[in-house]
Amino acid sequence: DVKVTQSSRYLVKRTGEKVFLECVQDMDHENMFWYRQDPGLGLRLIYFSYDVKMKEKGDIPEGYSVSREKKERFSLILESASTNQTSMYLCASSLRTSVNEQFFGPGTRLTVL
Amino acid sequence: AQTVTQSQPEMSVQEAETVTLSCTYDTSESDYYLFWYKQPPSRQMILVIRQEAYKQQNATENRFSVNFQKAAKSFSLKISDSQLGDAAMYFCAYRSALGTDKLIFGTGTRLQVFP
Repeated sequence: DVKVTQSSRYLVKRTGEKVFLECVQDMDHENMFWYRQDPGLGLRLIYFSYDVKMKEKGDIPEGYSVSREKKERFSLILESASTNQTSMYLCASSLRTSVNEQFFGPGTRLTVL
Repeated sequence: AQTVTQSQPEMSVQEAETVTLSCTYDTSESDYYLFWYKQPPSRQMILVIRQEAYKQQNATENRFSVNFQKAAKSFSLKISDSQLGDAAMYFCAYRSALGTDKLIFGTGTRLQVFP
């Protein structure tokens, strides 16, 4: 079974703090994604990566950055957390094939106070 | 740009009954993929069913089937013989066959199943 894990289920940070969210997948997937999930808005793509050290902006990249130094690990970084970044963050991974399924992690619920 | 619309924020169904969740999308592309994902309470999102746009036959996975109407840009999910474990958020998603593997999600439908 594909396994996507995220470093924390719940996280509470203060405004202005630097926040790291880690995601690890164990199936040698090329693609990795970071989404933000908010009620009534669905899932919105923040960043994705299709290979090590490669990244592309999604629909809402402002205030976020990412790092992919190893194939299995994709990190989301909030350089200076703000209250409007309080949300559920979901990581996903997939193979780079024609009808690939994205496999999701359990999510990290981040609260910024 | 492509968009996905789920117009039903909440739906409910009695156990053993059938329910249909709606999804419409907008695209100018002719080749793409459509997905339904399920997110149970406090659990990971999982794929329910997928449909390739070039296939006319509607996809089916056990109790889950879709009604894919390409001309109408409609992709509804039918759940037959509903079970308590079907209670979840359901998301419809679109992926272009060209370019990157990004998914575009709808806003979701929360399905409640009553015994």
